[in-house]
Amino acid sequence: EVQLVQSGAEVKKPGESLKISCKASGYDFTSYWIGWVRQMPGKGLEWVGIIYPRDSDTRYSPSFQGQVTISADKSITTAYLQWSSLKASDTAMYYCVRHYNWFDPWGQGTLVTVSS
Amino acid sequence: QSALTQPASVSGSPGQSITISCTGTSSDIGGYNYVSWYQQYPGKAPKLMIFDVSKRPSGVSDRFSGSKSGNTASLTISGLQAEDEADYYCGSYTSSSTWLFGGGTKLTVL
Repeated sequence: EVQLVQSGAEVKKPGESLKISCKASGYDFTSYWIGWVRQMPGKGLEWVGIIYPRDSDTRYSPSFQGQVTISADKSITTAYLQWSSLKASDTAMYYCVRHYNWFDPWGQGTLVTVSS
Repeated sequence: QSALTQPASVSGSPGQSITISCTGTSSDIGGYNYVSWYQQYPGKAPKLMIFDVSKRPSGVSDRFSGSKSGNTASLTISGLQAEDEADYYCGSYTSSSTWLFGGGTKLTVL
C-alpha cells in the first residue's frame, strides 16, 4: 500500500525556521515526483512545488519560488518542505502528495501555525 | 498564475445529477489532457476522484465522471447521495511546467 506519513503539527514564531517531513512507503520513491500543497484556513488548495527524488529536479509555483525549499533524501524515502524565516501568512495545512499527472495519494497533512 | 475558475457552490437533491465546471485557458486545461478532480471532506485530506480528464481510479464510484471541452473541464456526479456532500477541486498542468488548482466548489446535498 502506498503511504505518505507526515510529521506532526508545529507552532512557531515569525522569523523562525522550520522543516517538515513526509515519509513515503509502498512504492519506488525514486520513480515518482513528490510534492507539497498548501491549504490556508478555510481556503482552497495551492500547488507549492514538486521534486523528483532520483535527480533532485525541483519545480516551484511562482508564488512560492524563493519562499520555501523542497528537498528529498532517497536513502530514507523522505521529502521535506522548509522555510528559513516564517511569516504569519505561512499559517496553513501542508499536504504531501505523490505526483504523476495527478496527485495521489495524499499525506494526512501537517498544520503549521506561525504566531507571535 | 491565477487559480482555475470553479463555482463557489452547487447543490442538488438525492438521486439527481450535478455538474461542476472548471474553467482555465489554452495554457492549461485547453492545452493538455492532464485535468484531475479531488474530493475533500472537512478536516480530511483530499482524495483523487478523476485523472487525465475522464479516468476513474480503482475504487471510485462510476457515478463520478469527467469531461473537457475547450478550456473548460467538468465533473458530473449522477445519482447524488448524501455522502457526496464535500468540497471538490479541479487541477491542471500548465504550459509553465507547473500545476494549478481551482478555487474549490462546495457541494450541498439538499
